[in-house]
Amino acid sequence: QKEVEQNSGPLSVPEGAIASLNCTYSDRVSQSFFWYRQYSGKSPELIMSIYSNGDKEDGRFTAQLNKASQYVSLLIRDSQPSDSATYLCAVKSGNTGKLIFGQGTTLQVKP
Amino acid sequence: DAGVTQSPTHLIKTRGQQVTLRCSPKSGHDTVSWYQQALGQGPQFIFQYYEEEERQRGNFPDRFSGHQFPNYSSELNVNALLLGDSALYLCASTSLRDLFTAGNTIYFGEGSWLTVV
Repeated sequence: QKEVEQNSGPLSVPEGAIASLNCTYSDRVSQSFFWYRQYSGKSPELIMSIYSNGDKEDGRFTAQLNKASQYVSLLIRDSQPSDSATYLCAVKSGNTGKLIFGQGTTLQVKP
Repeated sequence: DAGVTQSPTHLIKTRGQQVTLRCSPKSGHDTVSWYQQALGQGPQFIFQYYEEEERQRGNFPDRFSGHQFPNYSSELNVNALLLGDSALYLCASTSLRDLFTAGNTIYFGEGSWLTVV
Protein backbone atom coordinates (compact mmCIF):
# COMPACT_ATOMS: atom_id res chain seq x y z
CA GLN A 1 0.00 0.00 0.00
CA LYS A 2 1.33 3.39 -0.98
CA GLU A 3 1.68 5.91 1.81
CA VAL A 4 -0.32 8.57 -0.04
CA GLU A 5 -2.74 7.56 -2.78
CA GLN A 6 -4.47 9.61 -5.40
CA ASN A 7 -6.41 8.70 -8.51
CA SER A 8 -4.13 9.67 -11.39
CA GLY A 9 -7.08 10.69 -13.57
CA PRO A 10 -7.45 12.53 -15.79
CA LEU A 11 -10.44 14.11 -14.15
CA SER A 12 -12.38 16.10 -16.70
CA VAL A 13 -14.95 18.71 -15.70
CA PRO A 14 -16.74 21.43 -17.67
CA GLU A 15 -15.96 25.06 -17.01
CA GLY A 16 -17.94 26.37 -14.04
CA ALA A 17 -18.40 22.97 -12.43
CA ILE A 18 -17.02 21.74 -9.11
CA ALA A 19 -13.90 19.59 -9.32
CA SER A 20 -13.40 17.11 -6.48
CA LEU A 21 -9.95 15.66 -5.86
CA ASN A 22 -9.34 12.94 -3.29
CA CYS A 23 -6.39 11.57 -1.37
CA THR A 24 -5.91 8.87 1.26
CA TYR A 25 -2.90 8.35 3.50
CA SER A 26 -1.68 5.52 5.65
CA ASP A 27 0.43 7.11 8.42
CA ARG A 28 -1.78 7.97 11.38
CA VAL A 29 0.98 10.17 12.82
CA SER A 30 0.58 12.58 9.89
CA GLN A 31 -0.15 16.06 11.13
CA SER A 32 -0.14 18.42 8.17
CA PHE A 33 -1.74 18.05 4.78
CA PHE A 34 -1.10 20.02 1.65
CA TRP A 35 -2.40 20.42 -1.86
CA TYR A 36 0.01 21.55 -4.54
CA ARG A 37 -0.83 22.57 -8.10
CA GLN A 38 1.72 21.79 -10.76
CA TYR A 39 1.56 23.08 -14.29
CA SER A 40 3.40 21.17 -16.97
CA GLY A 41 7.10 21.93 -16.84
CA LYS A 42 6.86 23.88 -13.58
CA SER A 43 7.57 23.14 -9.94
CA PRO A 44 4.72 22.48 -7.48
CA GLU A 45 2.92 25.49 -6.05
CA LEU A 46 1.22 25.29 -2.67
CA ILE A 47 -2.46 26.19 -2.89
CA MET A 48 -3.98 24.83 0.33
CA SER A 49 -2.89 23.45 3.67
CA ILE A 50 -5.01 21.93 6.44
CA TYR A 51 -4.14 20.61 9.88
CA SER A 52 -7.44 20.06 11.71
CA ASN A 53 -10.46 17.93 10.94
CA GLY A 54 -13.14 19.67 8.96
CA ASP A 55 -13.20 22.15 6.10
CA LYS A 56 -10.92 25.02 5.24
CA GLU A 57 -11.95 27.48 2.56
CA ASP A 58 -9.79 29.88 0.56
CA GLY A 59 -11.50 31.57 -2.34
CA ARG A 60 -12.67 28.93 -4.80
CA PHE A 61 -10.74 26.20 -2.99
CA THR A 62 -11.95 24.11 -0.05
CA ALA A 63 -9.80 21.49 1.63
CA GLN A 64 -11.49 18.81 3.72
CA LEU A 65 -9.74 16.60 6.27
CA ASN A 66 -11.02 13.50 8.05
CA LYS A 67 -8.26 12.03 10.20
CA ALA A 68 -10.39 9.11 11.39
CA SER A 69 -10.84 7.97 7.79
CA GLN A 70 -7.32 9.14 6.81
CA TYR A 71 -8.79 11.08 3.96
CA VAL A 72 -8.19 14.56 2.58
CA SER A 73 -9.89 16.20 -0.37
CA LEU A 74 -9.80 19.38 -2.41
CA LEU A 75 -12.84 21.00 -3.96
CA ILE A 76 -12.47 23.61 -6.67
CA ARG A 77 -15.62 25.61 -7.27
CA ASP A 78 -16.39 27.42 -10.52
CA SER A 79 -13.57 25.56 -12.27
CA GLN A 80 -11.71 27.53 -14.92
CA PRO A 81 -9.59 26.31 -17.84
CA SER A 82 -6.61 27.85 -16.02
CA ASP A 83 -7.18 25.29 -13.23
CA SER A 84 -6.11 22.55 -15.64
CA ALA A 85 -3.01 21.10 -14.02
CA THR A 86 -1.80 18.20 -11.91
CA TYR A 87 -2.79 18.39 -8.26
CA LEU A 88 -0.46 16.79 -5.75
CA CYS A 89 -1.54 15.73 -2.29
CA ALA A 90 1.25 15.80 0.29
CA VAL A 91 1.37 14.69 3.90
CA LYS A 92 3.91 15.79 6.47
CA SER A 93 4.83 13.18 9.03
CA GLY A 94 4.99 14.34 12.62
CA ASN A 95 7.81 11.89 13.23
CA THR A 96 10.13 12.74 10.37
CA GLY A 97 9.04 16.15 9.17
CA LYS A 98 9.37 15.04 5.56
CA LEU A 99 6.71 15.42 2.91
CA ILE A 100 5.23 12.34 1.30
CA PHE A 101 3.49 12.97 -1.99
CA GLY A 102 0.85 11.13 -3.92
CA GLN A 103 1.38 10.61 -7.64
CA GLY A 104 -0.95 13.47 -8.50
CA THR A 105 -4.31 13.82 -10.20
CA THR A 106 -4.51 15.49 -13.60
CA LEU A 107 -7.44 17.87 -13.87
CA GLN A 108 -8.78 19.02 -17.23
CA VAL A 109 -11.31 21.85 -17.26
CA LYS A 110 -13.01 22.09 -20.62
CA PRO A 111 -14.42 25.41 -21.88
CA ASP B 1 13.61 38.40 0.55
CA ALA B 2 14.81 35.73 -1.84
CA GLY B 3 13.03 32.43 -1.72
CA VAL B 4 14.64 29.07 -2.40
CA THR B 5 16.95 29.29 -5.39
CA GLN B 6 18.25 26.38 -7.41
CA SER B 7 20.80 26.05 -10.18
CA PRO B 8 21.10 25.11 -12.91
CA THR B 9 17.52 25.17 -14.15
CA HIS B 10 18.10 22.74 -16.99
CA LEU B 11 20.94 20.43 -17.89
CA ILE B 12 21.68 17.46 -20.08
CA LYS B 13 24.17 14.77 -19.12
CA THR B 14 25.34 11.50 -20.61
CA ARG B 15 24.96 8.12 -18.94
CA GLY B 16 27.80 7.43 -16.57
CA GLN B 17 28.57 11.07 -15.93
CA GLN B 18 28.26 12.89 -12.64
CA VAL B 19 26.11 15.92 -11.86
CA THR B 20 25.97 18.51 -9.09
CA LEU B 21 22.86 20.53 -8.35
CA ARG B 22 22.83 23.50 -6.02
CA CYS B 23 20.33 25.05 -3.66
CA SER B 24 20.23 28.18 -1.52
CA PRO B 25 17.52 28.04 1.13
CA LYS B 26 15.12 30.81 1.98
CA SER B 27 16.55 33.41 4.33
CA GLY B 28 16.28 32.25 7.93
CA HIS B 29 16.01 28.57 7.02
CA ASP B 30 18.64 26.06 8.12
CA THR B 31 17.22 22.75 6.88
CA VAL B 32 17.31 21.59 3.28
CA SER B 33 15.62 18.58 1.72
CA TRP B 34 15.92 17.23 -1.80
CA TYR B 35 13.19 15.53 -3.80
CA GLN B 36 13.21 13.77 -7.15
CA GLN B 37 10.15 14.01 -9.38
CA ALA B 38 10.11 11.65 -12.32
CA LEU B 39 7.70 12.29 -15.17
CA GLY B 40 4.13 11.45 -14.17
CA GLN B 41 5.01 10.87 -10.53
CA GLY B 42 4.87 12.83 -7.34
CA PRO B 43 8.11 14.08 -5.77
CA GLN B 44 10.06 11.45 -3.84
CA PHE B 45 12.15 12.35 -0.78
CA ILE B 46 15.87 11.83 -1.33
CA PHE B 47 17.47 13.18 1.85
CA GLN B 48 17.50 16.01 4.34
CA TYR B 49 20.36 18.06 5.76
CA TYR B 50 20.70 20.21 8.80
CA GLU B 51 23.73 21.19 10.83
CA GLU B 52 25.78 20.13 7.80
CA GLU B 53 24.85 16.47 8.20
CA GLU B 54 22.52 14.10 6.43
CA ARG B 55 19.76 13.45 8.96
CA GLN B 56 17.24 11.45 6.99
CA ARG B 57 17.41 9.51 3.77
CA GLY B 58 14.80 8.11 1.45
CA ASN B 59 15.06 4.96 -0.62
CA PHE B 60 17.78 6.13 -2.99
CA PRO B 61 21.11 4.41 -3.80
CA ASP B 62 24.47 5.64 -2.60
CA ARG B 63 25.04 7.21 -6.02
CA PHE B 64 22.99 10.06 -4.60
CA SER B 65 24.95 12.11 -2.11
CA GLY B 66 24.79 15.58 -0.76
CA HIS B 67 26.41 18.25 1.26
CA GLN B 68 25.37 21.22 3.31
CA PHE B 69 27.63 24.20 3.81
CA PRO B 70 27.99 26.48 6.85
CA ASN B 71 25.77 29.07 5.13
CA TYR B 72 23.03 26.37 4.91
CA SER B 73 23.23 26.07 1.13
CA SER B 74 23.30 22.56 -0.21
CA GLU B 75 24.43 20.42 -3.11
CA LEU B 76 23.02 17.23 -4.51
CA ASN B 77 25.47 14.98 -6.33
CA VAL B 78 24.55 12.04 -8.50
CA ASN B 79 27.28 9.71 -9.76
CA ALA B 80 27.21 7.17 -12.58
CA LEU B 81 24.08 8.67 -14.08
CA LEU B 82 21.42 6.34 -15.43
CA LEU B 83 18.67 7.14 -17.90
CA GLY B 84 16.22 6.68 -15.03
CA ASP B 85 17.77 9.58 -13.17
CA SER B 86 16.14 11.96 -15.64
CA ALA B 87 13.77 14.00 -13.51
CA LEU B 88 12.96 17.31 -11.92
CA TYR B 89 15.04 17.75 -8.77
CA LEU B 90 13.43 19.94 -6.15
CA CYS B 91 15.03 21.59 -3.18
CA ALA B 92 12.89 22.44 -0.17
CA SER B 93 13.88 24.53 2.81
CA THR B 94 12.51 25.04 6.29
CA SER B 95 13.78 25.82 9.75
CA LEU B 96 14.67 23.03 12.14
CA ARG B 97 12.40 24.39 14.87
CA ASP B 98 9.42 24.16 12.48
CA LEU B 99 10.33 20.82 10.94
CA PHE B 100 8.23 18.70 13.27
CA THR B 101 5.37 21.10 13.83
CA ALA B 102 2.13 21.37 11.95
CA GLY B 103 2.08 24.17 9.51
CA ASN B 104 3.08 25.44 6.12
CA THR B 105 6.78 25.94 6.69
CA ILE B 106 8.29 24.13 3.73
CA TYR B 107 9.23 26.16 0.67
CA PHE B 108 10.21 24.71 -2.70
CA GLY B 109 12.54 26.09 -5.31
CA GLU B 110 11.78 26.12 -9.03
CA GLY B 111 13.73 22.91 -9.53
CA SER B 112 16.48 21.64 -11.75
CA TRP B 113 15.50 19.63 -14.80
CA LEU B 114 18.01 16.87 -15.46
CA THR B 115 17.95 14.90 -18.69
CA VAL B 116 20.26 11.90 -19.02
CA VAL B 117 20.89 10.71 -22.57
